[in-house]
Amino acid sequence: NAGVMQNPRHLVRRRGQEARLRCSPMKGHSHVYWYRQLPEEGLKFMVYLQKENIIDESGMPKERFSAEFPKEGPSILRIQQVVRGDSAAYFCASSPSGTKNTEAFFGQGTRLTVV
Amino acid sequence: GENVEQHPSTLSVQEGDSAVIKCTYSDSASNYFPWYKQELGKRPQLIIDIRSNVGEKKDQRIAVTLNKTAKHFSLHITETQPEDSAVYFCAASHQAAGNKLTFGGGTRVLVKP
Repeated sequence: NAGVMQNPRHLVRRRGQEARLRCSPMKGHSHVYWYRQLPEEGLKFMVYLQKENIIDESGMPKERFSAEFPKEGPSILRIQQVVRGDSAAYFCASSPSGTKNTEAFFGQGTRLTVV
Repeated sequence: GENVEQHPSTLSVQEGDSAVIKCTYSDSASNYFPWYKQELGKRPQLIIDIRSNVGEKKDQRIAVTLNKTAKHFSLHITETQPEDSAVYFCAASHQAAGNKLTFGGGTRVLVKP
């Protein structure tokens, strides 16, 4: 089991460009969570998805940010027209269930730098 | 929504001493409380967790206690070693919220040899 895979590990974008972050959950996991960690801060919940469904996006900024988890392929976090304040580490976690208390397994993260 | 407060923000201990980190939460519905260790540039890794039907859990040098009435939980690390140096995060979640985690602000632990 390869664990939660995120790519790219590092991403540099100029202001105004788009950033696409990918997350492949652990095998057998159908629940994906995205978290953002600003430098020297804790992790903040962004969005919770199951296959083809957004379950909870209460932590997502209202503009420029979107997420999907298609039937086939990885979950994608998309940031349009990036600004310097989007620079952060973005972590994806997966779990086998959203209805039982189970451990969430984190990926290695994507470190986004906006220049 | 849930709010988790974590103290202290930094903790420096001598090797061999104990370290204690405390967290409080606001949502009485929360019933799962994991602790994560994050080394510089790495992913958060689960070190121990506790569910609301248990008051205490221990795993070698690490223990966690939970007081549901007071809505606080604590991490205890005994016989600290230099490799325990890292940032530690507490978190809370509940099934009704789909198990999304609300994290505390983190504690940077430095174990001095």
